[in-house]
Amino acid sequence: QKEVEQNSGPLSVPEGAIASLNCTYSDRVSQSFFWYRQYSGKSPELIMSIYSNGDKEDGRFTAQLNKASQYVSLLIRDSQPSDSATYLCGGGYQKVTFGTGTKLQVIP
Amino acid sequence: EAGVTQFPSHSVIEKGQTVTLRCDPISGHDNLYWYRRVMGKEIKFLLHFVKESKQDESGMPNNRFLAERTGGTYSTLKVQPAELEDSGVYFCASSQLGQGIDTQYFGPGTRLTVL
Repeated sequence: QKEVEQNSGPLSVPEGAIASLNCTYSDRVSQSFFWYRQYSGKSPELIMSIYSNGDKEDGRFTAQLNKASQYVSLLIRDSQPSDSATYLCGGGYQKVTFGTGTKLQVIP
Repeated sequence: EAGVTQFPSHSVIEKGQTVTLRCDPISGHDNLYWYRRVMGKEIKFLLHFVKESKQDESGMPNNRFLAERTGGTYSTLKVQPAELEDSGVYFCASSQLGQGIDTQYFGPGTRLTVL
């Protein structure tokens, strides 16, 4: 089992809809979790970090962490074409373990 | 404030040659990390510096890779001799020390192609 698993996608959603990105992790990954957005050929850009169970909201983004079920999700409300990118889920303290990323396509 | 910078952006070398990648972290960031993404795979941790000291080098693939951070500022990652499987994108990230969640900021990466 991979330490951090994501569906590679692509996940296609219409503009204005809610995009839901999911990530599961193994017992070997713990503490903090991160969502990074990466446009093609660019560096990963931090979107959200979360370390407590529950929801954390920042603008159109909501990260959800469920430690009992070992999953992390990212909701993007009112999706825009500019949100089209690969979203990387990562976990750990200092040494971050990443999933392969989910490609999101927002269709105008 | 300038972000993490990396040089070069691209490097194409032949198998057996040596390449040195450079990373300049965000000013004041004592944590510096190297990661690598091989095509089709996830980004993988290589090593972690705290100032000039190697805190964790468990991800370094073999002794052909040498990372340094003299003076605790910029870092270099040397691959000698390069092999075909070393091709990929090498990312550097930095973060502040002792800030709770270790929020890492990534550089643009160096795309290394070994022919």
